[in-house]
Amino acid sequence: DVKVTQSSRYLVKRTGEKVFLECVQDMDHENMFWYRQDPGLGLRLIYFSYDVKMKEKGDIPEGYSVSREKKERFSLILESASTNQTSMYLCASSPPRDYGYTFGSGTRLTVV
Amino acid sequence: AQTVTQSQPEMSVQEAETVTLSCTYDTSESDYYLFWYKQPPSRQMILVIRQEAYKQQNATENRFSVNFQKAAKSFSLKISDSQLGDAAMYFCAYRTSYNTDKLIFGTGTRLQVFP
Repeated sequence: DVKVTQSSRYLVKRTGEKVFLECVQDMDHENMFWYRQDPGLGLRLIYFSYDVKMKEKGDIPEGYSVSREKKERFSLILESASTNQTSMYLCASSPPRDYGYTFGSGTRLTVV
Repeated sequence: AQTVTQSQPEMSVQEAETVTLSCTYDTSESDYYLFWYKQPPSRQMILVIRQEAYKQQNATENRFSVNFQKAAKSFSLKISDSQLGDAAMYFCAYRTSYNTDKLIFGTGTRLQVFP
């Protein structure tokens, strides 16, 4: 069964901490994405990557960075966590020019 | 820029009945793809149905079907014979066919199913 795995289901971090959210896919997909999901706002794209070491900003990249050193892994980094980054974070992957994404189960991050 | 609008934050339906979720979008492109995703309480997003804009025929997947009105930029989802397991958040999404694989999502509709 193909999978996108997010390392943590729930995470609580303190303001100012550096936070790593990890995402691993086992489908050899070129594309990987990080979205943030908030009530009433839907899913908003933070960053995406078309290939190893490639990254592009999405709609809300401020306060975030990403790393893709290997094809199967795409990390989202909060350099200095703030309370307004409390949210659900969803990772997804897809082959190029494919119809849809495969999503992970999400990480609910709380910054206190 | 493309946008996707879901104007119904919440909907409810009785088991075995039919419900329609609305979605409109804005684009200047002629070739694109539209999707409906389901997010149950488990949080796992699941692709329900997809539609290619160049196809006039409405997509159907078992109890799920769409009403795609390209001129009106409307893409509604009809769920027939609703089941308790259909209770979830439903997201409409758009993808251009040109040189990008990004999905643009609407704000979602929470569907409740009552026995």
